[in-house]
Amino acid sequence: DAGITQSPRHKVTETGTPVTLRCHQTENHRYMYWYRQDPGHGLRLIHYSYGVKDTDKGEVSDGYSVSRSKTEDFLLTLESATSSQTSVYFCAISRDRREQYFGPGTRLTVT
Amino acid sequence: DQQVKQNSPSLSVQEGRISILNCDYTNSMFDYFLWYKKYPAEGPTFLISISSIKDKNEDGRFTVFLNKSAKHLSLHIVPSQPGDSAVYFCAASTGGSNYKLTFGKGTLLTVNP
Repeated sequence: DAGITQSPRHKVTETGTPVTLRCHQTENHRYMYWYRQDPGHGLRLIHYSYGVKDTDKGEVSDGYSVSRSKTEDFLLTLESATSSQTSVYFCAISRDRREQYFGPGTRLTVT
Repeated sequence: DQQVKQNSPSLSVQEGRISILNCDYTNSMFDYFLWYKKYPAEGPTFLISISSIKDKNEDGRFTVFLNKSAKHLSLHIVPSQPGDSAVYFCAASTGGSNYKLTFGKGTLLTVNP
């Protein structure tokens, strides 16, 4: 298995609070991605990174920001969490190939 | 606009029989296709892929077929085992340098003993 960890694995937060999810890899892969998985929607790309400090938006980026200051860490921030951001969040990594390898996920509940 | 479609939300098969999962796509720029398997409370796991220059790729019990003219691909699992019970996602890529994937909504496969 690719060395990807996500933290926290579970989080409950209140509407309006900021939340940061962390993805950490030990594979030294260049590309990193954040997805959310919701019933009836499959996996949807939020943001991705193609190098340190190089990031871009995916299809559902509104309300989210990301940062990548080191190769191994990719942070996803919800500046002001809303109930519509209750979801399971997955980080993925890729090394110059089409195949992406996923972390175990973070279940976020916004009350 | 859904570019990758998995029209069957669920599929149930008997152990030992063939499972066929289907996927359709609309974007003719897709040139690489992947299948992922996902168990509950775990991240998706890469299963098998196929480039658009091929029409078949096989890995053990898993075979992916690509029909470019119909914009259709399928995953065959033979023989099916109870441990194959999971959600299967189809994904596609247009290439370029960012390797972004577009996923279907998934099909829940249940293999009955």
